[in-house]
Amino acid sequence: GESVGLHLPTLSVQEGDNSIINCAYSNSASDYFIWYKQESGKGPQFIIDIRSNMDKRQGQRVTVLLNKTVKHLSLQIAATQPGDSAVYFCAEMGYSTLTFGKGTMLLVSP
Amino acid sequence: ETGVTQTPRHLVMGMTNKKSLKCEQHLGHNAMYWYKQSAKKPLELMFVYNFKEQTENNSVPSRFSPECPNSSHLFLHLHTLQPEDSALYLCASSQNDYGYTFGSGTRLTVV
Repeated sequence: GESVGLHLPTLSVQEGDNSIINCAYSNSASDYFIWYKQESGKGPQFIIDIRSNMDKRQGQRVTVLLNKTVKHLSLQIAATQPGDSAVYFCAEMGYSTLTFGKGTMLLVSP
Repeated sequence: ETGVTQTPRHLVMGMTNKKSLKCEQHLGHNAMYWYKQSAKKPLELMFVYNFKEQTENNSVPSRFSPECPNSSHLFLHLHTLQPEDSALYLCASSQNDYGYTFGSGTRLTVV
């Protein structure tokens, strides 16, 4: 079946750096994408979403970029903080259900 | 709080027990979902309910039995589970496939 995957299982950054988390998707029919953050002991928390008719969307300290040509999604976090340490998932909406990647662990050191 | 509440937060059960997980959403959404999250695996969709009607059963074993009495409540009834069923069970809701919101999950351990 179709799948969503993440390139890096763990990303370690220094506080204040910018972080980039990448995601590849394989379903070219997917038209909606979401990034989630999951902290230990909690459920996934919505960060930002983007529809396929856009290639960039910005939120507070976060930016999602969508490249439909190569089926690639990225999450950029500006001025990363220790509180950003978590697992980040991308998800794609295809055929009315969300499919998730395995997740990337972001570790932020002071 | 996300607007999706799951109880209990933790559950330990024997393989011969029967237990139920509960999910309640206060967002006015029309769809609810059960997901299973195991270590080092992507989130796995188990069941989907739209307007309290089951629209998807993702090849889940019959020892997991969902129930959706109305658009705000979702249950997952468990019986004769196996140790490999130990996982975090997440409930989510959405409105017309958008605004997916998750609860904090039930950490299930089968002994």
